[in-house]
Amino acid sequence: KQEVTQIPAALSVPEGENLVLNCSFTDSAIYNLQWFRQDPGKGLTSLLLIQSSQREQTSGRLNASLDKSSGRSTLYIAASQPGDSATYLCAVRPEWGGYSGGGADGLTFGKGTHLIIQP
Amino acid sequence: NAGVTQTPKFQVLKTGQSMTLQCAQDMNHEYMSWYRQDPGMGLRLIHYSVGAGITDQGEVPNGYNVSRSTTEDFPLRLLSAAPSQTSVYFCASRREGGYTFGSGTRLTVV
Repeated sequence: KQEVTQIPAALSVPEGENLVLNCSFTDSAIYNLQWFRQDPGKGLTSLLLIQSSQREQTSGRLNASLDKSSGRSTLYIAASQPGDSATYLCAVRPEWGGYSGGGADGLTFGKGTHLIIQP
Repeated sequence: NAGVTQTPKFQVLKTGQSMTLQCAQDMNHEYMSWYRQDPGMGLRLIHYSVGAGITDQGEVPNGYNVSRSTTEDFPLRLLSAAPSQTSVYFCASRREGGYTFGSGTRLTVV
């Protein structure tokens, strides 16, 4: 069964700092990895999608990396702002045919990192 | 495009009642899935579909039924609601890329 772990569970930093959120997964048979943002009481907003063949993706101040063989991904946020405060979720999609004992589609999520950027 | 639309946004049910959570997408996406989000448990996959007429179970399928008669719609049915099904439910869809999520249905079973 695929398991996704996000570290740290919570993080509070002053505005302007660069920070790294970590995501690890136990089964490397993934098709892609997606980072989401979730504001309190709201839905999920996709931030970055990394295919299994890619090493990294960038969007504005966000950069996500993927090391499939070691089962790790990081989300780097540059020059953090109070508006970045949210919960960040990492999710993996299986390769077609699924994980050993798992399904063939859908996402497996980590429990998220709750980020607070202090003004 | 409206994206992924979920209705209703909020619902209160009594134990034993049945209901259907609706999910519709207008992006011609083949793949759709349902998740529940609970404090401390994160988001967990309930059921998914890889096309019209094809569905399969995810991690937590018990107590839920799905069907996929059209590409656009993927309803989630609770046949006999239980307090353990109190949660926020999200529907999502994709084609070849990443998933797009709906805004969720907050369900309370009393």
